[in-house]
Amino acid sequence: GQSLEQPSEVTAVEGAIVQINCTYQTSGFYGLSWYQQHDGGAPTFLSYNALDGLEETGRFSSFLSRSDSYGYLLLQELQMKDSASYFCALARGSTLGRLYFGRGTQLTVWP
Amino acid sequence: NAGVTQTPKFQVLKTGQSMTLQCAQDMNHEYMSWYRQDPGMGLRLIHYSVGAGITDQGEVPNGYNVSRSTTEDFPLRLLSAAPSQTSVYFCASSTLRQGIIYEQYFGPGTRLTVT
Repeated sequence: GQSLEQPSEVTAVEGAIVQINCTYQTSGFYGLSWYQQHDGGAPTFLSYNALDGLEETGRFSSFLSRSDSYGYLLLQELQMKDSASYFCALARGSTLGRLYFGRGTQLTVWP
Repeated sequence: NAGVTQTPKFQVLKTGQSMTLQCAQDMNHEYMSWYRQDPGMGLRLIHYSVGAGITDQGEVPNGYNVSRSTTEDFPLRLLSAAPSQTSVYFCASSTLRQGIIYEQYFGPGTRLTVT
């Protein structure tokens, strides 16, 4: 089986940097993804880490360490519009890939 | 491109009724999937398909059926609705790179209430 743990809530102020952690327990997986979801909206893809290390996409970065069973999403120069839920997801499966999602972290950005 | 479309956006059913949630994508993606999202539970995979004629069960398949007769369409059928199926349902599609899902595109969701 697999399980992913994320903090349920994180708060920060505009302009700050915030890190959302994701720890997992699984017997094997292909990569770790991150998705953003605004209230009432559909999840949208942010990043994918197939290998250990840091992937940077604009203000967002994602990190994976397979040896530590740990990943994180780093959001820099926070803006009010970054207030949303963030989900980590493991891509794994026997013969076919599946995505298993964490329960999500609600990020609130204050002015 | 419309991306991933879902209908209806909202639906209220009575216990025991059946219905089909529609999902279509115009990106020629092989992989399509259905998730349900409940408060505090994240997204849980119901069924998925890696191509026309090929479907498989996810984490929570009971009470749901799917079929994939074309690349574009992936309907989800509720056989006999129960209050426990009250949820938000998302359809998603993606390409597969060597069998791996890299980026999923989600539809806008269907908000289903079963009374």
